[in-house]
Amino acid sequence: EDKVVQSPLSLVVHEGDTVTLNCSYEVTNFRSLLWYKQEKKAPTFLFMLTSSGIEKKSGRLSSILDKKELSSILNITATQTGDSAIYLCAVNHSGANNLFFGTGTRLTVIP
Amino acid sequence: NAGVTQTPKFQVLKTGQSMTLQCAQDMNHNSMYWYRQDPGMGLRLIYYSASEGTTDKGEVPNGYNVSRLNKREFSLRLESAAPSQTSVYFCASSRTLGETQYFGPGTRLLVL
Repeated sequence: EDKVVQSPLSLVVHEGDTVTLNCSYEVTNFRSLLWYKQEKKAPTFLFMLTSSGIEKKSGRLSSILDKKELSSILNITATQTGDSAIYLCAVNHSGANNLFFGTGTRLTVIP
Repeated sequence: NAGVTQTPKFQVLKTGQSMTLQCAQDMNHNSMYWYRQDPGMGLRLIYYSASEGTTDKGEVPNGYNVSRLNKREFSLRLESAAPSQTSVYFCASSRTLGETQYFGPGTRLLVL
């Protein structure tokens, strides 16, 4: 059965801290892994990682895919209060018609 | 571009009532999806539409129906609402199946 597990479930840090969020997956014929940020409303797309693109970076956010360990990490450096959100990991595999989502990590950044 | 829009934003229903959630996208995407999000369970796919004129069941289709009205619009209907359908509903779209999905702002539904 396809599975996506995120850890930790929740995290509280102070502004300026660096955080690492984890996502592990068990799917057949892996195709891509996506990270989303969800604040009060809709998830917004952050990164997509595939076999040909295992590391992505945008500003203070970066993500790495470890295909051997079937996992991915999302790093946020110099956190700000605006980073407070739920971070969702989702996996797509060949032949699948949708994304399999983890339950998310709730990040709270305290001033 | 508005991206993906959903109406209404919030709705309260009584058990047994029916309603339709509306979704539209202006990104010329072929594929559209309906998810529900419940605490501790993440996003679960209800129905999806690979392209205009096609719809398929997702992980949790029972109690729902969908209509892909045209390329832009994909509606979700609850024929006889139940308290178990209290949830936040998200519509999403993507260029094609399996590609990056873009989400609407969500509809919060409360069934009493």
